[in-house]
Amino acid sequence: DAGVIQSPRHEVTEMGQEVTLRCKPISGHDYLFWYRQTMMRGLELLIYFNNNVPIDDSGMPEDRFSAKMPNASFSTLKIQPSEPRDSAVYFCASSKGWGPFNQPQHFGDGTRLSIL
Amino acid sequence: SQQGEEDPQALSIQEGENATMNCSYKTSINNLQWYRQNSGRGLVHLILIRSNEREKHSGRLRVTLDTSKKSSSLLITASRAADTASYFCATDVRGDDKIIFGKGTRLHILP
Repeated sequence: DAGVIQSPRHEVTEMGQEVTLRCKPISGHDYLFWYRQTMMRGLELLIYFNNNVPIDDSGMPEDRFSAKMPNASFSTLKIQPSEPRDSAVYFCASSKGWGPFNQPQHFGDGTRLSIL
Repeated sequence: SQQGEEDPQALSIQEGENATMNCSYKTSINNLQWYRQNSGRGLVHLILIRSNEREKHSGRLRVTLDTSKKSSSLLITASRAADTASYFCATDVRGDDKIIFGKGTRLHILP
């Protein structure tokens, strides 16, 4: 079975540009998570969805960040406008079960984002 | 210490030796998970241990949980070169609907 698929794997863009990260979760999984990983702050949960509905977006750093899940097989994380401090690796993960954090999460290989 | 803090930050051992990593946390949890991350890849789930469990095994992995000390350990026995990776603990904080990852332990297996 295919795992969580993220695209692009790498993104380099200039400050002020809009960035869109994409994620396809594992089929049948009802939870989808977006994380950001940096050396300074480690892995941080940004937002998670249950059955395509955003449940907790308290980790989203600023209004410049937005996430959508239009259907069960696709989610986007958008940054507009982007800033150099947004440079990080962004991970998408999905899981299936009766709660968000009491079963294994399956991670994609991430998008390495560099804002110049 | 912060919630989900691993110790040591880095560990180098000879192939064949056992590797032990520790995770400490501050608040009550529902469960604790261990993940592995190879360089340039996403995290891979290893073991989930619930707050009412004390020990779990999976192959060469052994995880313990001591809720009275708010700590967990991950033991990898008979280490192999392929075990070289970063290892993270993640705590499901009780009553807070949050998952918090530690900063990880970088494990390097020497040939």
